[in-house]
Amino acid sequence: AQTVTQSQPEMSVQEAETVTLSCTYDTSESDYYLFWYKQPPSRQMILVIRQEAYKQQNATENRFSVNFQKAAKSFSLKISDSQLGDAAMYFCAYRSGYGNKLVFGAGTILRVKS
Amino acid sequence: NAGVTQTPKFQVLKTGQSMTLQCAQDMNHNSMYWYRQDPGMGLRLIYYSASEGTTDKGEVPNGYNVSRLNKREFSLRLESAAPSQTSVYFCASSEALLLSTDTQYFGPGTRLTVL
Repeated sequence: AQTVTQSQPEMSVQEAETVTLSCTYDTSESDYYLFWYKQPPSRQMILVIRQEAYKQQNATENRFSVNFQKAAKSFSLKISDSQLGDAAMYFCAYRSGYGNKLVFGAGTILRVKS
Repeated sequence: NAGVTQTPKFQVLKTGQSMTLQCAQDMNHNSMYWYRQDPGMGLRLIYYSASEGTTDKGEVPNGYNVSRLNKREFSLRLESAAPSQTSVYFCASSEALLLSTDTQYFGPGTRLTVL
């Protein structure tokens, strides 16, 4: 079974600086997708970024980018120019290319200091 | 375009009571899902519906039933609530789970407390 591990329960970053959230996963599959979701205090789960395993190029969405290391099974999220609105719980998630279920990590709380 | 909506936002039940959580989406998605989120853990899949007329168990289905009422709506029922079902429940939808590019979009969640 696939597992997703987020080893940082909590991270802090100064406003305008850069922070990287870590995620590792375990799978024997070659076709899969990886996601980062943001959950602010409102509890809504918001998709931040998606990465297809077959793509070597790292996905980017404005200030958010990933470092996808397939061989190491690592999928970290980099947030540049951090803003107060980035403060939230961030979840890393895995989905098999052949299946339907999202497997989530336990989450990382990101605090942004002004 | 409201996306995925859930009702109620909050609910308190006594042990043994029953209730139904409602979910609706207006994105014309084929697939819908119910998750629960417990402290210190990621979301876990309870049930899902790949398409209208079908439902399947997820990782933690015990104590729950679901109904895919139509393409838009997917309800989750607790027949006899237990304190272990105290959690935050999320509904999600996606275009079609068999699509390789499928991405799930989530509702705002329902915080359920069972006393």
